[in-house]
Amino acid sequence: AQSVAQPEDQVNVAEGNPLTVKCTYSVSGNPYLFWYVQYPNRGLQFLLKYITGDNLVKGSYGFEAEFNKSQTSFHLKKPSALVSDSALYFCAVRKVGGSARQLTFGSGTQLTVLP
Amino acid sequence: EPEVTQTPSHQVTQMGQEVILRCVPISNHLYFYWYRQILGQKVEFLVSFYNNEISEKSEIFDDQFSVERPDGSNFTLKIRSTKLEDSAMYFCASRDLYEQYFGPGTRLTVT
Repeated sequence: AQSVAQPEDQVNVAEGNPLTVKCTYSVSGNPYLFWYVQYPNRGLQFLLKYITGDNLVKGSYGFEAEFNKSQTSFHLKKPSALVSDSALYFCAVRKVGGSARQLTFGSGTQLTVLP
Repeated sequence: EPEVTQTPSHQVTQMGQEVILRCVPISNHLYFYWYRQILGQKVEFLVSFYNNEISEKSEIFDDQFSVERPDGSNFTLKIRSTKLEDSAMYFCASRDLYEQYFGPGTRLTVT
């Protein structure tokens, strides 16, 4: 079975400061990892993914994430937060190959960027 | 840029009624999914669909649920007899090689 943990329900950061949203995963075998963002009353928007290769993945809106296999983590980062980044962020995992092609999501982290 | 669309955006129904939620996936995608998100909770997988049949389903996807691709463009989720606990946001997704693209969701309210 695959699972995702987002240990923080809420992250607050001041505008202009760096932000980190944490994610750890559990999957048998190699993972595909994803970050999605959800604004109020909106659907899930794709931010970035890790498939293979470079452990540092760059995505939309200046976000990046670092895949760490030994720590089974895929933390989302941004060097300088904007108020408009305030939203609900979901980490998701899918096993490479196999029959389990659906995404398993974490519980989400509400990011609030304070002006 | 192509996108997944869903209709309606909000559906209110009475308990015991049948509802059909509609999705138009991205045209060249071959894998389709339904997920749901109960208010304040995580997004949960319901079912995946490939080559005109269900490829996987979760324990949530019981006999009250069914999916269909009635033509070349639509992908539907039917709930035969809705329950109060079916109230949720339902997301459709379609997939290219790696990435799932999600629609804006249908908010289902069962009264």
